[in-house]
Amino acid sequence: SAVISQKPSRDICQRGTSLTIQCQVDSQVTMMFWYRQQPGQSLTLIATANQGSEATYESGFVIDKFPISRPNLTFSTLTVSNMSPEDSSIYLCSVDSGQGVTDTQYFGPGTRLTVL
Amino acid sequence: ILNVEQSPQSLHVQEGDSTNFTCSFPSSNFYALHWYRWETAKSPEALFVMTLNGDEKKKGRISATLNTKEGYSYLYIKGSQPEDSATYLCAFKGGSYIPTFGRGTSLIVHP
Repeated sequence: SAVISQKPSRDICQRGTSLTIQCQVDSQVTMMFWYRQQPGQSLTLIATANQGSEATYESGFVIDKFPISRPNLTFSTLTVSNMSPEDSSIYLCSVDSGQGVTDTQYFGPGTRLTVL
Repeated sequence: ILNVEQSPQSLHVQEGDSTNFTCSFPSSNFYALHWYRWETAKSPEALFVMTLNGDEKKKGRISATLNTKEGYSYLYIKGSQPEDSATYLCAFKGGSYIPTFGRGTSLIVHP
């Protein structure tokens, strides 16, 4: 298993500003994942962050809006840029168990973002 | 876009009641089906992973079944307790190792 912490746990931000969310894992992992859950919607993968390479973004998500850093094997950041109220969501950092198709996701406690 | 549906969206039960909810998913290209429990202000926690048609998994009072041919999984909770209150998420893997999550079933157990 993996223990994941995220900062901040919640924030209220003004439209047009940016917020950087930090994710720390207690062990070295190759891939870290960033998810978003908008109100009433499903948990949706934003991007996969690999150490030493560019993040891979899912359809509908772009680097300019959600830049990601992955400076080492235990840490990643996700920035939500030029925020609008539609960005109000829970953002979750995740790693997997590395077992292939039966990989279990381990999640951080989430960052609850409200954009006014 | 993969369609993973969970029903009901929310559920209120009394302590001691047994309950169940459904996850439906595409019946083709099936790899695995996961169930997670997500309590408010905590991390989602893995409950089960199932890969074979007819799989049944059990953890205490919670169990799950899988039907890959018709594309559904049931989660059962026997004798619900207030601490079972959470959102239950299913995640489908089909043709990809990246999971597609349903919207979840929010369970509230009243003492």
